Amino acid sequence: NAGVTQTPKFQVLKTGQSMTLQCAQDMNHNSMYWYRQDPGMGLRLIYYSASEGTTDKGEVPNGYNVSRLNKREFSLRLESAAPSQTSVYFCASSAINGGLSGANVLTFGAGSRLTVL
Amino acid sequence: AQTVTQSQPEMSVQEAETVTLSCTYDTSENNYYLFWYKQPPSRQMILVIRQEAYKQQNATENRFSVNFQKAAKSFSLKISDSQLGDTAMYFCAFIPWDQGAQKLVFGQGTRLTINP
Repeated sequence: NAGVTQTPKFQVLKTGQSMTLQCAQDMNHNSMYWYRQDPGMGLRLIYYSASEGTTDKGEVPNGYNVSRLNKREFSLRLESAAPSQTSVYFCASSAINGGLSGANVLTFGAGSRLTVL
Repeated sequence: AQTVTQSQPEMSVQEAETVTLSCTYDTSENNYYLFWYKQPPSRQMILVIRQEAYKQQNATENRFSVNFQKAAKSFSLKISDSQLGDTAMYFCAFIPWDQGAQKLVFGQGTRLTINP
């Protein structure tokens, strides 16, 4: 019962370096999401994928790109890391996207702590 | 735009006590979901309880219950017989019923500490 798996759990980068955060879910969910969590600000949506083959910007997309590789996997890429991207990143998934249903509930991964020096 | 406000940045109670965490929200929607998520030191976000706005009955999950006041736009979480394992950040969240989870709005969180 892995649920949502994120890798790596920790990463330290230098300014200007690139990296990709990987996310995979084994619940056959259609929708996947990337959030960042900063102190005192709750979670903010970076990008999401309502279904395989689609991606859309969230609240804070600048400096990030995503790829919905297949139904299971949704990666987040930082092309040129900046200190402002130091944060904890969460991947999440939901069975469906929209509607008054328990299937709209998010399941989260364990988070990835990224530090950009 | 919808907003969610948690006015208590930190709370601390003794083990076995009852504690209530506050949450208010602002929306013009009539149908929506409300959630409480728990984030322990492990960082994992765990769904604690959810409430559908069209249901008048308050949701309950074991020691966790909510006081949903739709007219007042208030959604508080009560933890009864608190345990050390309840120590965590708690986030209130809101989503309109017909929107995808990309419309989920989180509050800033309340850090709850249960003391032995």
